[in-house]
Amino acid sequence: GAGVSQSPSNKVTEKGKDVELRCDPISGHTALYWYRQSLGQGLEFLIYFQGNSAPDKSGLPSDRFSAERTGGSVSTLTIQRTQQEDSAVYLCASSSGTGDYEQYFGPGTRLTVT
Amino acid sequence: KQEVTQIPAALSVPEGENLVLNCSFTDSAIYNLQWFRQDPGKGLTSLLLIQSSQREQTSGRLNASLDKSSGRSTLYIAASQPGDSATYLCAVTGNTPLVFGKGTRLSVIA
Repeated sequence: GAGVSQSPSNKVTEKGKDVELRCDPISGHTALYWYRQSLGQGLEFLIYFQGNSAPDKSGLPSDRFSAERTGGSVSTLTIQRTQQEDSAVYLCASSSGTGDYEQYFGPGTRLTVT
Repeated sequence: KQEVTQIPAALSVPEGENLVLNCSFTDSAIYNLQWFRQDPGKGLTSLLLIQSSQREQTSGRLNASLDKSSGRSTLYIAASQPGDSATYLCAVTGNTPLVFGKGTRLSVIA
C-alpha cells in the first residue's frame, strides 16, 4: 500500500479481555515501531522491530503487552487482560532502516477499555 | 535518558501572523530531529526532518532550524492560516527510537 495502515481504527473492550492491534507497514520497510499516546501523557515508545527481531522492547509497560512481526511485514501488538489505564491511541510507524531514517506513521488505533 | 521539551504548550495567534515554536532536548547525540503535525483524532504527519549534520530545512511556509550543540530546534511558520491549527510535535532519534515532546497546540484565529 501507499502508507502505513492500522486496524482496527477504534476498539472498545471490557476490562480483562485480550486485544490484538494490527499494523501493515509500507512495503519494503524493514523497521517497524509501536508507540502509545495517552491523554495528557504524550507519545511514548513501546517496541521496535528490525526485520522480525525486536532489539528493543524497553518501552513495553508490563508483561501483559507483547508484539510480534512475521515475514518482515505485518506486526501485531497484543494486550492481555486489558486495564483501564491501557486506554490510549496506539500508533505504528515504519522506516526503511533504523537510526537516521525517517519514520512514517499510520493513523493509529484508538483503544478504549471500559 | 533523552528528554524533549516543547514551549509553549499552547499558542493562539491571529491569522497572518508569523510564529515560532520551540523544542529543546537534553542529549545532543541525535541522528535527526523531526517536526510532526497532529490533527485532533488523527495520526502524525511528518513536516520536516533535519539530519544531525544539517542546520535547517524548509518546506513552503515552514522552516525548521537545529542547533545540536545547544539542544534546540525551532519551527517557524510564516503567514499563519486557520488550517495550520493543530498540535505540533518535535521528536529526536538517537540511540533509541523517537523521543517526543508533549507538543504545542496551535490555534490560528481567522
